[in-house]
Amino acid sequence: EPEVTQTPSHQVTQMGQEVILRCVPISNHLYFYWYRQILGQKVEFLVSFYNNEISEKSEIFDDQFSVERPDGSNFTLKIRSTKLEDSAMYFCASSAVAGAYNEQFFGPGTRLTVL
Amino acid sequence: AQSVSQHNHHVILSEAASLELGCNYSYGGTVNLFWYVQYPGQHLQLLLKYFSGDPLVKGIKGFEAEFIKSKFSFNLRKPSVQWSDTAEYFCAVRPGGSARQLTFGSGTQLTVLP
Repeated sequence: EPEVTQTPSHQVTQMGQEVILRCVPISNHLYFYWYRQILGQKVEFLVSFYNNEISEKSEIFDDQFSVERPDGSNFTLKIRSTKLEDSAMYFCASSAVAGAYNEQFFGPGTRLTVL
Repeated sequence: AQSVSQHNHHVILSEAASLELGCNYSYGGTVNLFWYVQYPGQHLQLLLKYFSGDPLVKGIKGFEAEFIKSKFSFNLRKPSVQWSDTAEYFCAVRPGGSARQLTFGSGTQLTVLP
């Protein structure tokens, strides 16, 4: 069964450093998402991406964040200058279509620890 | 904006007990509703979903949920839980139609004692 994959599974970085989290969505999917879950808190939406541009973004997704689909298979989330409060589990998801009958498939997550 | 409330943060049951996890949402329009499960160390998996039609939805592993529009609720049920159901359960909502992002509840940790 096809699945969303994410690398690395755990990333440790120093405050102020740039990190890139990588995701490989399911191959025929067209819509891509990033969510995050701070320890003990809700899963929160960050951004959705379709046709090489951002479709929606939350207030969390500020100028420090960016997304890219560099090569037609990977979908990346970049944090330019990490802060302590960016420590969280980051989930990538993809779906074949948007709208009423969309089901999002989630990856296993990348645990980001900012020291 | 929509929001989701899961009132039970941690539920502890013995095997064979019946389960009901509450989920209430706030949104005035058409919604799509989901329950996801996260087993220890694993990713979010879809248990079941409601888009339209029969408000009683059956999912995987014997779970079901009932959409009660008048109560803005989508409670998850299972008649007899197993130890392997120990996991965190998340309710999620999305406005029906073209909106894409999911809004999640805070999750309910279910512990089933053998």
